[in-house]
Amino acid sequence: ETGVTQTPRHLVMGMTNKKSLKCEQHLGHNAMYWYKQSAKKPLELMFVYSLEERVENNSVPSRFSPECPNSSHLFLHLHTLQPEDSALYLCASSQKGTGGSEAFFGQGTRLTVV
Amino acid sequence: AQTVTQSQPEMSVQEAETVTLSCTYDTSENNYYLFWYKQPPSRQMILVIRQEAYKQQNATENRFSVNFQKAAKSFSLKISDSQLGDTAMYFCAAPGGSTLGRLYFGRGTQLTVWP
Repeated sequence: ETGVTQTPRHLVMGMTNKKSLKCEQHLGHNAMYWYKQSAKKPLELMFVYSLEERVENNSVPSRFSPECPNSSHLFLHLHTLQPEDSALYLCASSQKGTGGSEAFFGQGTRLTVV
Repeated sequence: AQTVTQSQPEMSVQEAETVTLSCTYDTSENNYYLFWYKQPPSRQMILVIRQEAYKQQNATENRFSVNFQKAAKSFSLKISDSQLGDTAMYFCAAPGGSTLGRLYFGRGTQLTVWP
């Protein structure tokens, strides 16, 4: 148990569907992140939220829409995805600060787009 | 740009032997932390060990230790007395150069421990 919980663990969706990934952290952290992990590729940082404000968007297509309603919850809304979006999506949280902070990860959502 | 390089995509070691995974990084920060994470087949990312850059002493955590060379920006992970449960993908992580605390990750090294 890492204190970061992601749901669902697995998701299969069609290209015309709309779905959402949920992340919840119970660690009192003030920064949350979405990462994408594809086969044969490095871990890609998608979005960074600090104190519920999106402070970083690494050129992610608009079909991915994050939401951070409070410091404990982070969502990733998905719509009209492509098969190449199939990947493991990891949520993480940390206490922001200079020099890098230990990131605590959820177990990930395995997304398959058909 | 902040980069983290792991030059060994795959490594294997026999049970009870020692193996070293290499990592080099680039950062503009002076005081920072470096991390090694482990991702077993369950896909859960687990922190293995952390090094504070301002500390000269290499971090040690049971069978895991690091060789930190700050001037060379090198941060290797040594696993002693390897166990079957050490089989996993190992990621090196370095800071992203801001107050956000975000990390950049290497591409990972897949370690297989053989009986």
